[in-house]
Formats: sequence, C-alpha cells, structure tokens
Amino acid sequence: EDQVTQSPEALRLQEGESSSLNCSYTVSGLRGLFWYRQDPGKGPEFLFTLYSAGEEKEKERLKATLTKKESFLHITAPKPEDSATYLCAVQARGTGRRALTFGSGTRLQVQP
Amino acid sequence: EAQVTQNPRYLITVTGKKLTVTCSQNMNHEYMSWYRQDPGLGLRQIYYSMNVEVTDKGDVPEGYKVSRKEKRNFPLILESPSPNQTSLYFCASSLLGSETQYFGPGTRLLVL
Repeated sequence: EDQVTQSPEALRLQEGESSSLNCSYTVSGLRGLFWYRQDPGKGPEFLFTLYSAGEEKEKERLKATLTKKESFLHITAPKPEDSATYLCAVQARGTGRRALTFGSGTRLQVQP
Repeated sequence: EAQVTQNPRYLITVTGKKLTVTCSQNMNHEYMSWYRQDPGLGLRQIYYSMNVEVTDKGDVPEGYKVSRKEKRNFPLILESPSPNQTSLYFCASSLLGSETQYFGPGTRLLVL
C-alpha cells in the first residue's frame, strides 16, 4: 500500500527564516511525486512534479528535491504570502486509475 | 482562463436526500477524478474517469455514483447521503499524457 507521511504537521517561521518541509513515501514504483499548495477554502494548487531521485525543481522561493525515500520542499527567505498548507502526493506506476496518494500536509505560517 | 469549476461550493442537506455536485473543466482533459478531504486522512480518491463513458472506482467509492456523458463534465452523485459523507470534495482533471492533476475549488458538504 502506498503511503505518504509529511512532517512537521505545522511550522511557524519568521519572515526571512528559511526552512524545509519533509515528505517520506513508500510506493510500488514511483510514477511521480507532487507538491501542491492549499490555501484555506481553496483547492490544491499545483507546484512541482518530480520523477526520479536526484531531481530538483525551483519556483521563486521554493525548491523541491527528491531521493528514493523522501522529498524536501525548501523555502528560502519566506514571506507572509507563503503561508499555506503544503501537500505532498505520490502516484504509482502501472495503475490506470492514476490516483494520487496524499499526505496530511504541513501547515506553514510565516509571520512578518 | 483554464480552470476546473464545481457547484455548489457549500451544501447542507439531510440524510437520504439525493444530491449532485457538478464538476466542469474547460481544458479538454480526458482524465477526471473526485477526491474527498477529511482531517488527518488527506485526500482520497472516490471515482475516476479516463474518458467519456469510461469510469471506475477509486479508494472510497461506497455511497457515490458518477457519470461521464460529456468530456468536460463529471458529476458526483450521492443517492442517499449519510452523515459520514460530510466532507470537503474536490474534482480534478488532467491530460492523459500528463501526470499533473489540476483541482477545482472544492465543495463543502454537511449531511445532517
């Protein structure tokens, strides 16, 4: 059974204080690992897809990395507008239904 | 604007009263899916569709029905809602050649 565990559950940072969010996963053949951002009352917003160990992707203050067992979302010099819940999900290879298995998320609060 | 829309956004109903939540996408995506989001459980797939007239069960299909008569629409039907179906529901879509799923804004359902 595919599983995704995210840590910490919640994180409070001061503006400009860099940190990392962790996503540990087990999957029967990884098709892709996804990071989404979710604001209160809204649907998940796509950020990144990573396909293989060693891959990295960046977008503004966010950088996602992938190993064979975990992924990190690094947030450099965060701003208050980065406050949101960050969701990690995996998709297994060989499954036609393409279901994403999500973690419970990390709630990030960035204080000015 | 490319988007996934859902209606209604909020719904309060009573046990046993049939309801339909609509989902529509304007991106010509073949793949569409429904998820429910519950605290501590993350998002879980209910049903999915690979194309018109092709639907199948996800992880938690009990108590739900779907149909896919047109490419752009994928309604979720609760024929006899029960309180354990109180949840936040998301519709998602993607191109078959892409792993990335795009989510709608969500429908918050309360079943009394």
